[in-house]
Amino acid sequence: DVKVTQSSRYLVKRTGEKVFLECVQDMDHENMFWYRQDPGLGLRLIYFSYDVKMKEKGDIPEGYSVSREKKERFSLILESASTNQTSMYLCASTHPVAGHNEQFFGPGTRLTVL
Amino acid sequence: KQEVTQIPAALSVPEGENLVLNCSFTDSAIYNLQWFRQDPGKGLTSLLLIQSSQREQTSGRLNASLDKSSGRSTLYIAASQPGDSATYLCAVKPSGTYKYIFGTGTRLKVLA
Repeated sequence: DVKVTQSSRYLVKRTGEKVFLECVQDMDHENMFWYRQDPGLGLRLIYFSYDVKMKEKGDIPEGYSVSREKKERFSLILESASTNQTSMYLCASTHPVAGHNEQFFGPGTRLTVL
Repeated sequence: KQEVTQIPAALSVPEGENLVLNCSFTDSAIYNLQWFRQDPGKGLTSLLLIQSSQREQTSGRLNASLDKSSGRSTLYIAASQPGDSATYLCAVKPSGTYKYIFGTGTRLKVLA
């Protein structure tokens, strides 16, 4: 079974702090995604990566950056956390060929910015 | 622009009932459609994936159908149980894009 893990389930940070959220998948998936989920807004794509060191902006990239130095790991960085970035962050991965683009999600990180 | 809608937003049913959840999308040019379950405060669990060339997929008590021409998918849950209580989301992968478009989900409560 595919396993996608996220570094923290719950995180509390102060406004202005630099925040790192890490995601690791163990099935050699090429594509990895970061979403945020907010009540009434559903899942919104922040960034996508289709290969090591390759990234594409999603629908709401402002205030975020990403890093993919190794195939299995995709990090989301909040350069200077703000209260409007309080949200549930979800990581997902897919294999475009062998996995037929089926998405597998991690358990999520609930981030609170005070 | 592809849009995905799930109606109703919430549903309560008595245990044992068979039920259908709906997912509508506006553009039939899709690569696949995926159904997920989400428990409160948790990530999404993949239930069923339907490729664009398929009409349905089954897993246990779950059956998902796809009708691209009408822009609809249904998730059928047989003999519902309290443990089925969760939010169910569908997501569409449009053809020619890496993005997935999610519906906002149907919150299901199965009453014992």
